[in-house]
Amino acid sequence: TQLLEQSPQFLSIQEGENLTVYCNSSSVFSSLQWYRQEPGEGPVLLVTVVTGGEVKKLKRLTFQFGDARKDSSLHITAAQPGDTGLYLCAGAPSGAGSYQLTFGKGTKLSVIP
Amino acid sequence: DTGVSQDPRHKITKRGQNVTFRCDPISEHNRLYWYRQTLGQGPEFLTYFQNEAQLEKSRLLSDRFSAERPKGSFSTLEIQRTEQGDSAMYLCASSLVTGTFTDTQYFGPGTRLTVL
Repeated sequence: TQLLEQSPQFLSIQEGENLTVYCNSSSVFSSLQWYRQEPGEGPVLLVTVVTGGEVKKLKRLTFQFGDARKDSSLHITAAQPGDTGLYLCAGAPSGAGSYQLTFGKGTKLSVIP
Repeated sequence: DTGVSQDPRHKITKRGQNVTFRCDPISEHNRLYWYRQTLGQGPEFLTYFQNEAQLEKSRLLSDRFSAERPKGSFSTLEIQRTEQGDSAMYLCASSLVTGTFTDTQYFGPGTRLTVL
């Protein structure tokens, strides 16, 4: 069973601060996806990374896939209250079973105005 | 683009009752997935369909759980003889697989089940 560990589990910061969330595994993934989830709602896709070393930017969010495709990070610059939510990473295994996403437990972010 | 929809959004039932949830995927998507999410955890894969074929169901939690996608469009997830431990958010996702390596899944808003 492939496991994804996210850290930190909880993060409370002031508006305007920067933060980084980590997603780590001992397994190789063919792709990795980041989602944001609001309470009582389904996860909303932020980005998919596929190539080792890949960096993608989405406004103030920067996503990086590790060179070995085992880990990823999400960096938020100048956090805003609207960034508050649960950030989930999910990996698709290589080869057979690539449909079966493995999710981390998430990082619950609170941005205080 | 109407996204993935799920119905109902909330369901409260008594232990021992049967419940059925519906998922309508994004219209052109050929794969449909069911996940369960409990408090403080990420979603947990249950089963998936490619068109009308259920290609993986070994992860369904027990034989009380079953899913169908009769015409390759919407899907239903049924739980028979519900137990309190079934209380969770049930999520549906869909994706379009065209032979490329990446299988990006888009989630619906979920159905919150509470078993009393």
